[in-house]
Amino acid sequence: KNEVEQSPQNLTAQEGEFITINCSYSVGISALHWLQQHPGGGIVSLFMLSSGKKKHGRLIATINIQEKHSSLHITASHPRDSAVYICAVETSGSRLTFGEGTQLTVNP
Amino acid sequence: DSGVTQTPKHLITATGQRVTLRCSPRSGDLSVYWYQQSLDQGLQFLIQYYNGEERAKGNILERFSAQQFPDLHSELNLSSLELGDSALYFCASTPQLKGTQYFGPGTRLLVL
Repeated sequence: KNEVEQSPQNLTAQEGEFITINCSYSVGISALHWLQQHPGGGIVSLFMLSSGKKKHGRLIATINIQEKHSSLHITASHPRDSAVYICAVETSGSRLTFGEGTQLTVNP
Repeated sequence: DSGVTQTPKHLITATGQRVTLRCSPRSGDLSVYWYQQSLDQGLQFLIQYYNGEERAKGNILERFSAQQFPDLHSELNLSSLELGDSALYFCASTPQLKGTQYFGPGTRLLVL
């Protein structure tokens, strides 16, 4: 079993829909990161959080440390949100362990 | 643009060869991380340097080595290359030991 599990693996939505991507982990962590990987390959850090909730524009990330679970929400989705979203947990030192990613496609 | 640069962008080489990938962190960032992204293994942490010193080691093969220089740029050396080493190699940087990581654009390595 992977230390970091994401669901769903693939997600197709219509423009304007509310989207949720889930991440569960099985190890003790110091922080959790959400990353976005564009079709060209570039990776952008969206959030780093260790408790509670963070919001940036239409993106919201939450984490429940007791349940070892995090969610990434996208409100009013847009085709430009189409990308792979990756959950990563920060464990010993500052090494990241990554989930397999969620491929999101938002259709106009 | 994250401010992290990586060269070269693409690299095609043959099995058995040796290559060097270069990473320049954001100005002032002391930590550099190296990651490998392959189709079958996904993203994996290789190694972290902080202010010239190795800080953490992940799934880095013995054929691979890295270092961080006094000007804080880092190099990842891959030797005795195998077909399975074909992957995207990313570096990332943070100002201190931890924090939000800023990723470079990656080096795409193809071993033929």
